Amino acid sequence: GEEVAQTPKHLVRGEGQKAKLYCAPIKGHSYVFWYQQVLKNEFKFLISFQNENVFDETGMPKERFSAKCLPNSPCSLEIQATKLEDSAVYFCASSPGTVNYGYTFGSGTRLTVV
Amino acid sequence: SQQGEEDPQALSIQEGENATMNCSYKTSINNLQWYRQNSGRGLVHLILIRSNEREKHSGRLRVTLDTSKKSSSLLITASRAADTASYFCATVPSGYSTLTFGKGTMLLVSP
Repeated sequence: GEEVAQTPKHLVRGEGQKAKLYCAPIKGHSYVFWYQQVLKNEFKFLISFQNENVFDETGMPKERFSAKCLPNSPCSLEIQATKLEDSAVYFCASSPGTVNYGYTFGSGTRLTVV
Repeated sequence: SQQGEEDPQALSIQEGENATMNCSYKTSINNLQWYRQNSGRGLVHLILIRSNEREKHSGRLRVTLDTSKKSSSLLITASRAADTASYFCATVPSGYSTLTFGKGTMLLVSP
C-alpha cells in the first residue's frame, strides 16, 4: 500500500506487562525505522532495518526492547516488562533508501503504561 | 542524539502572513529535511535539501540552507489555518545514515 500502517493505535499496559507494536511499511520500501516521541517533543531514534536485517540499532535500549522485520510479515517492536517511562507514541517510518530520501511515517501507536 | 534545534519554539500569526522557522545543527550533513506534524498524527515529509543546495521551493514553502553557518530556514508564505502544526527539521549527519530530529516549532495560524 501507499501508507505505513501501524497497529494498534492505542495500547494500555500495566507496569511489567509486555507490549507489542506492529508496522507494515510501504511496499517496495527497503528500510524501516522506529522512533519514540515522548510528550510531543523530540523524536528519539530506536532502530532501523534494511529488509529483514538490522541496519542501525544505536538508539535501541539494550534491555527490554527488541524488534524484528520478517519476510511477508509486519515489522514489530516489542517491549518486555514495560515501565512508566516507556509511555510514548511510537512511530514507524519506511523509505526506499537511507541518505537522500524522505521518510514516510505511520500515524503511530500511543503506548500508555499504568 | 538530537542534532537540530528549531527556533522559535512557538510562533503565532494571522492567516495570510508569512511564517519563518529556523533550524541550527551541529555537525556536517548529507541533507536536511523538514517535516510537519499535525496534532496526534505522524510526520509528513515536506522538503529535502541536499548539502550542496542553497535554496529549494515547493508550493508555498521555501527552504534555505547555509552549511557555513550550519543553519536552515523554512518559510511558509501566505499562511492558512490549515498550516497550524508542529514543524521539525531533521538531518542526516555525514557518515551516518539515519535522520535525527530537532524539537520542533509549534505554529499557530489564526483565521
